[in-house]
Amino acid sequence: GNSVTQMEGPVTLSEEAFLTINCTYTATGYPSLFWYVQYPGEGLQLLLKATKADDKGSNKGFEATYRKETTSFHLEKGSVQVSDSAVYFCALSDQKGLGTGFQKLVFGTGTRLLVSP
Amino acid sequence: DTEVTQTPKHLVMGMTNKKSLKCEQHMGHRAMYWYKQKAKKPPELMFVYSYEKLSINESVPSRFSPECPNSSLLNLHLHALQPEDSALYLCASSQERRGGWDTQYFGPGTRLTVL
Repeated sequence: GNSVTQMEGPVTLSEEAFLTINCTYTATGYPSLFWYVQYPGEGLQLLLKATKADDKGSNKGFEATYRKETTSFHLEKGSVQVSDSAVYFCALSDQKGLGTGFQKLVFGTGTRLLVSP
Repeated sequence: DTEVTQTPKHLVMGMTNKKSLKCEQHMGHRAMYWYKQKAKKPPELMFVYSYEKLSINESVPSRFSPECPNSSLLNLHLHALQPEDSALYLCASSQERRGGWDTQYFGPGTRLTVL
C-alpha cells in the first residue's frame, strides 16, 4: 500500500539555521505530494505541493522538489525563524482520486520543529 | 479565498450529552471530509462526502453521525461519546478538477473533551 515516511523529531535549530526535513514515499502510479504545517493549537495549513516529477513547490521561503528517482520530497528552508516552530506533515494523494469521488491523503507521522532565538 | 470554518472552537461534553460540530466552506468544493487527530499523531480520516453523498465511512463507531445538508455545510453529530474520543476534529474540503481532485484545505478544528 501507499505510505509516507518522515524523519523522527523533534528537530531543534537556532534561528537562521538551515532546515531539512526528510520525506520519502511508497506509491503506485504518480501521486501528488504535499507539505502541511500545523502550528500549536491550530488546524493544518497547506505549505506547498507538487503534482509531477521534478516539480518544485515553494512558499514562505520553504521549498521541496518531487524526486521520482529517489521517491523523496524533502522540505528545506535556508534560514528558519522562531515563528516556523510547528509540526510539519508530508502527505501524498494516490492517483489524484480519479474515479473515487474524492482525494484520499496518506500522511507521514509528522516532524516537530523547534526554533530557538 | 481558501477558508474552511469550524464551530465551536472548543467543546466539553459529558458521556450522555448530544452535541454537534459544524463545518462550512464557500469555495464551491464538492468533497468534504471529517478527520480525527490525537495528540502528536497525524489526522485520521473518518468520513468523506462527495457531492453531498457519503462516500467513505472508515469504520467509525455509530456514536459519530455525519450529515451534509448542502454543498457548503458539513455536520458531525455526537452522542454517547467515550473519554477516548477526546481529540481535535478537523474538517477539510477539496474541488474536483479535470484530471482528479485538487488539494484539501483544512479548517482550524474543534478541540473536543469528553468527561
